Amino acid sequence: DIQMTQSPSSVSASVGDRVTITCRASQYISTFLAWYQQKPGKAPKLLISAASNLQSGVPSRFGGTGSGTDFTLTISRLQPEDFATYYCQQANSLPLTFGGGTKVEIQ
Amino acid sequence: QVQLQESGPGLVKPSETLSLTCAVSGASVTDYYWGWIRQPPGKGLEWIGYIYFTGTSNYNPSLKSRLTISVDTAKNQFYLSLRSVDAADTAVYFCARRTASGNYYLTWGQGTLVTVSS
Repeated sequence: DIQMTQSPSSVSASVGDRVTITCRASQYISTFLAWYQQKPGKAPKLLISAASNLQSGVPSRFGGTGSGTDFTLTISRLQPEDFATYYCQQANSLPLTFGGGTKVEIQ
Repeated sequence: QVQLQESGPGLVKPSETLSLTCAVSGASVTDYYWGWIRQPPGKGLEWIGYIYFTGTSNYNPSLKSRLTISVDTAKNQFYLSLRSVDAADTAVYFCARRTASGNYYLTWGQGTLVTVSS
């Protein structure tokens, strides 16, 4: 199985801050990577697929980069509704696997 | 738009079978690949498996020996059956629709908590 490692596991930030979350795959996955946002008690929401493809309706302050084994999710100007847990997921090979999550908390 | 709704018992006894249904509305089950993902309380996400209406399926090897995912095109539903459960199977179970472009999950049900306990 491909292991996905996210860092940090949590980050404290303020509204307006730039936040960067990283995800590293244990082996090459090209750009087969997704980012999800999950709020407490809710299902995950797909933000980005194929490493950088922003889903329809997702604000442009969210951006994804990377290929191979190293990926980044950036929130350019944090908004109150962005406080949540973010997960990466590799889509290169089965079984699909997720990172452990990064909780973005209010500072 | 596509909507998914999980249903099933919220409490299952150890060694018994966990059975869940995902009802699809706004689309036909023949249109997409459908999957199950679970999340133990306070923990991360685990992919369980997927199915296509033809019966093509793929399961997480960690669950494969206990797992069956099936689909009913007439009812526009798909199903999860996990046998011989124990406390480690306690989780919120989500059904989800895969994107047309790959193994990403675009549409999710609200999730249903299943507790394994005697």
